[in-house]
Amino acid sequence: ETGVTQTPRHLVMGMTNKKSLKCEQHLGHNAMYWYKQSAKKPLELMFVYNFKEQTENNSVPSRFSPECPNSSHLFLHLHTLQPEDSALYLCASRTGPNTGELFFGEGSRLTVL
Amino acid sequence: DQQVKQNSPSLSVQEGRISILNCDYTNSMFDYFLWYKKYPAEGPTFLISISSIKDKNEDGRFTVFLNKSAKHLSLHIVPSQPGDSAVYFCAAAQLTSGTYKYIFGTGTRLKVLA
Repeated sequence: ETGVTQTPRHLVMGMTNKKSLKCEQHLGHNAMYWYKQSAKKPLELMFVYNFKEQTENNSVPSRFSPECPNSSHLFLHLHTLQPEDSALYLCASRTGPNTGELFFGEGSRLTVL
Repeated sequence: DQQVKQNSPSLSVQEGRISILNCDYTNSMFDYFLWYKKYPAEGPTFLISISSIKDKNEDGRFTVFLNKSAKHLSLHIVPSQPGDSAVYFCAAAQLTSGTYKYIFGTGTRLKVLA
């Protein structure tokens, strides 16, 4: 079992659908991150939560809505997405607030039709 | 503006030889640097890191070198093994407004030939 679990692993949705991605970490970490990986682009930071509080929103469109109910769970709610939002969405956690490595989940591959 | 750059999209190395992966950055405020390895259909896995106060960190076959004046870091893998074939990402971290932000490069695909 990995320390960071993401579900679903694959998701196909239409532009009018509402869906959610879920991330759960079993490492006792206090900081959680959402990244987006598109083809031939670097991982793009989307959101950061420290101790359940959002500390970073990297100019992400409002059709992506994060939620962090506790330090172990992170959601990304998706609504009226565009085909260009198709990508691999990666969740990561880290022992906050000082430096350390990020531990990534296996990602959720999203396809928007 | 890309703050972390990996200018070589791919690299092929013979098994047993040294693999050298390079990374350049532009922001002198980065104080922590990391290397990750990624296989297809998996998330990135942490390999090795280095603080900005050091110039070298070694862990088994993996060594990371940091040249702050050149804003350059490199990952050396020796000896290279076929199982090392993967995409390697470098990342740089900076404390901003109480949050550590990690900026990643585009990756270098390493192929180790048997």
